[in-house]
Amino acid sequence: DTGVSQDPRHKITKRGQNVTFRCDPISEHNRLYWYRQTLGQGPEFLTYFQNEAQLEKSRLLSDRFSAERPKGSFSTLEIQRTEQGDSAMYLCASSWDERQAFFGQGTRLTVV
Amino acid sequence: AQKVTQAQTEISVVEKEDVTLDCVYETRDTTYYLFWYKQPPSGELVFLIRRNSFDEQNEISGRYSWNFQKSTSSFNFTITASQVVDSAVYFCALSEAKATSGTYKYIFGTGTRLKVLA
Repeated sequence: DTGVSQDPRHKITKRGQNVTFRCDPISEHNRLYWYRQTLGQGPEFLTYFQNEAQLEKSRLLSDRFSAERPKGSFSTLEIQRTEQGDSAMYLCASSWDERQAFFGQGTRLTVV
Repeated sequence: AQKVTQAQTEISVVEKEDVTLDCVYETRDTTYYLFWYKQPPSGELVFLIRRNSFDEQNEISGRYSWNFQKSTSSFNFTITASQVVDSAVYFCALSEAKATSGTYKYIFGTGTRLKVLA
């Protein structure tokens, strides 16, 4: 499978715990995006990497959120001290240029 | 600011009916891309089509067709002879590029849930 891979697919955590999600983009894609999607809404932009550089972060990304993309390969998104409002689907996408982004199947986070 | 509006929250049709999903966008950019994605219950966003802002030709792909009109800032999607397998949430999206920072992202609408009844 050469598509965008996200792990885990589902995560249930208690409020206050830290969680980390992983995204493996399509090989050689230099652009990587994280989006968040809540029920009944479209995906909302969180952050953008070009290679290993994080070029933009949304205001949605509070201090409790951090994303990395070491060596411009896979990426991780960490949420510290989770809150119930963090419950959502977290989508990762990668692309080679602006013409098409390929999305993974997402990680569904439930904070109880 | 860039914005995508999908006014239709949910549409229900009977199989074999034609259905059009509306998309209206706002942008200050002169060069941009418009997209349609399909999201089945599994959750993955499936790319359907991309349209460059300079290309206003309508496109047809099987039962799918797209009508892009810059004059009305619309990029509508029509499914002809709908099938149950077309049931999904459909998202329209707009590209946004910032030359000063080199950043790039997609702005999504809120989606239209299409239910095709047998």
